[in-house]
Amino acid sequence: AQSVTQPDIHITVSEGASLELRCNYSYGATPYLFWYVQSPGQGLQLLLKYFSGDTLVQGIKGFEAEFKRSQSSFNLRKPSVHWSDAAEYFCAVGYSSGTYKYIFGTGTRLKVLA
Amino acid sequence: NAGVTQTPKFQVLKTGQSMTLQCAQDMNHEYMSWYRQDPGMGLRLIHYSVGAGITDQGEVPNGYNVSRSTTEDFPLRLLSAAPSQTSVYFCASTQGGRPAFFGQGTRLTVV
Repeated sequence: AQSVTQPDIHITVSEGASLELRCNYSYGATPYLFWYVQSPGQGLQLLLKYFSGDTLVQGIKGFEAEFKRSQSSFNLRKPSVHWSDAAEYFCAVGYSSGTYKYIFGTGTRLKVLA
Repeated sequence: NAGVTQTPKFQVLKTGQSMTLQCAQDMNHEYMSWYRQDPGMGLRLIHYSVGAGITDQGEVPNGYNVSRSTTEDFPLRLLSAAPSQTSVYFCASTQGGRPAFFGQGTRLTVV
C-alpha cells in the first residue's frame, strides 16, 4: 500500500541555521512528489514538486528538495531559515496515473528560534 | 483569479444536524477532492471526482456524500453530524500531471 512517512513531528531550529525535513514514501510506480507548507489557520501552499528529470528541484522561498529513488526519499532543505518559515510542512505523493489522489504525510511542525 | 473557494470558513453544528460544505473552482480542472485534516494525522482523502458525474470514495468516506453535477462545483454533505467529524476540511482541484490547488479550509465543530 502507498504511504508517506514524515518521521519528525516537531523540529526547532535557530534563525539562520540550515534545515532538512525528511520524507520517505512507499509507492510501486514512479511517484509525483510534492512539498506543501501550511501557516496557522491557512490553506496549503505548494513549495515545490518533482515529476521527472533532475532529481534536485528548486521551489519557492529558497527551498529545495532532492529525490532519491534508491532511498525512497524526498527531503526538503533550506540553507538558512528565516523566522517566517515557521509553519507546518507536508510531504505528499501523487498517483502517477493522474495525480488526482494524493497521500499526505502527517506533517512536520517547524519552530524557528530568534 | 479566485482558484478554489470554500464556504463557509467556520461552522458549528449540533450532533445529528446535516449540512453542505461548498467548494468551487474556476480553473476548469477535471479532478476535485475533499480532505479532512486532524492533528497528527495529516490530510486524509474523503471523496474525489475525476469529472462531472463521476465520484469515488477515498480513505475515510463514511458519513459523507458528494456529487459533481458541474465541473466547477464539488459539495461535501454531512448527513448526520457526529463529534468525530470535528475537523478542518480542505477542497482541492487539479488537472492531470499538475499540483493540486487547495482552498482555505472549513473549520467544522460538532457539539
